[in-house]
Amino acid sequence: DVKVTQSSRYLVKRTGEKVFLECVQDMDHENMFWYRQDPGLGLRLIYFSYDVKMKEKGDIPEGYSVSREKKERFSLILESASTNQTSMYLCASSSVVRDRGINEQFFGPGTRLTVL
Amino acid sequence: GENVEQHPSTLSVQEGDSAVIKCTYSDSASNYFPWYKQELGKGPQLIIDIRSNVGEKKDQRIAVTLNKTAKHFSLHITETQPEDSAVYFCAASRGTGGFKTIFGAGTRLFVKA
Repeated sequence: DVKVTQSSRYLVKRTGEKVFLECVQDMDHENMFWYRQDPGLGLRLIYFSYDVKMKEKGDIPEGYSVSREKKERFSLILESASTNQTSMYLCASSSVVRDRGINEQFFGPGTRLTVL
Repeated sequence: GENVEQHPSTLSVQEGDSAVIKCTYSDSASNYFPWYKQELGKGPQLIIDIRSNVGEKKDQRIAVTLNKTAKHFSLHITETQPEDSAVYFCAASRGTGGFKTIFGAGTRLFVKA
């Protein structure tokens, strides 16, 4: 059974704290993604990575950074958390299918982050 | 930039009725259109997808149609059941070499028993 796990389901942090969200996948997927989910806005891409040590900015990268030191692990970092980063964070992974580009993404259960 | 519009935002149907969710996309280079279902407390899960060389695809009670000329695609659920209640997301992405998927805002479907 394929799996994407996220380190925490719920997290409460204070403004200015450094926050680490961890994601691990066991499917040997090349691609990994971080989204945030807000009501009425759907899923918005923060960063993605298509290989170890590679990263690309998504649509809303400001205030975030990422790290991919190992193929199975993709970390999202909030350098100095702010209240407007209170949200649900979803990690996903996908494989690369030759000549078909992107295909199904497998999502973790999400981390609900509250910044006070 | 590219975007995907999804309607309606909320949909309530009686058990056994059909449900239709519609999406339009702006990037004419999009050629992969997945639909995800998100149940309470879980991450989204793929339920059906369609590629641009196909106009319609069906899997038991769910079907998706695609009109590339009009740049819109729809999800159809027939004989709805209470377990179909969830949030549904449409999405669009480009093909080879494209890693970005643009998601719609989501539709919350309620199926009343």
